[in-house]
Amino acid sequence: QVQLQESGPGLVKPSQTLSLTCTVSGGSSSSGGHNWSWIRQHPGKGLEWIGNIYDSGTTDYNPSLKSRVTISVDRSKTQISLRLSFVTAADTAMYYCARVKEYYSDASGFEYHFDHWGRGTLVTVST
Amino acid sequence: SYELTQPPSVSVSPGQTARITCSGDALPKQYAHWYQQRPGQAPVLLIYKDSERPAGIPERISGSSSGTRVTLTISGVQAEDESDYYCQSGDSSGTVFFGGGTRLTVL
Repeated sequence: QVQLQESGPGLVKPSQTLSLTCTVSGGSSSSGGHNWSWIRQHPGKGLEWIGNIYDSGTTDYNPSLKSRVTISVDRSKTQISLRLSFVTAADTAMYYCARVKEYYSDASGFEYHFDHWGRGTLVTVST
Repeated sequence: SYELTQPPSVSVSPGQTARITCSGDALPKQYAHWYQQRPGQAPVLLIYKDSERPAGIPERISGSSSGTRVTLTISGVQAEDESDYYCQSGDSSGTVFFGGGTRLTVL
C-alpha cells in the first residue's frame, strides 16, 4: 500500500518561497511509473488543485498559480517537491500530495483522479 | 472558468439515504470522482469514473451520472458518514476542478 508523507516548514514569511516535499513509501517504494499532484485547502474551505507531474516529467498547473509554481520529482523518484514563490497570507493552507490515476479517451482526452493522499502539512504565511 | 456546483449542506437521519449532487457543463463528456473528508483528516477517494468504487469502499456508497449532473448516494447513512464530500472533474486542457464541497450532517 503506497503511503505519502508531506514535510516542510510550517511557517513561511511573505514574499519568500514555500518549499515542500512529499516522500513516497510502500508499494514499489518509488514514485517512478506514477503521476503525482499537489492539492491545497485553505482553512475552513474547499480543495484547490495546484498541479500534476507525470511520469514523463511533464507538468500541468492551475492557471491561477502557474506563474509561481514548480513541481518536480527527484532523481531517485522517491520524493515529489513543490515550490511556490512570492507567497502571501492567501497561501496559508493545508498542503496535500496525492497519487494521480490517469486515463485517456478520444472523446475527452486525458482525465485524472487521486487515489492515494498524504495526511497533509499546514503552512502558515506570516511575519 | 469551469465550475462544479454542489449544495453546501445535506442533512439526513440515520438509516436514510443521502444524495449529494454535483453539476457542471462538461460532465457529459468528463468523468466525475468523489472524495470524503472527515474532520481533521485527508480526503479519501470514494467513487471514480462516475460510478466505480475503489477496493474497500462499501456497496452502500454509489455514484451515478445523468447529463450535466452526477450524484453520490449513501444508503443506510450512519453517524460515521458525517463528513465533507467533494466532487472532482477536469477539462480537456488537463486542468483539474473540485466542487465547493457538501457537508453531510447526520441528524
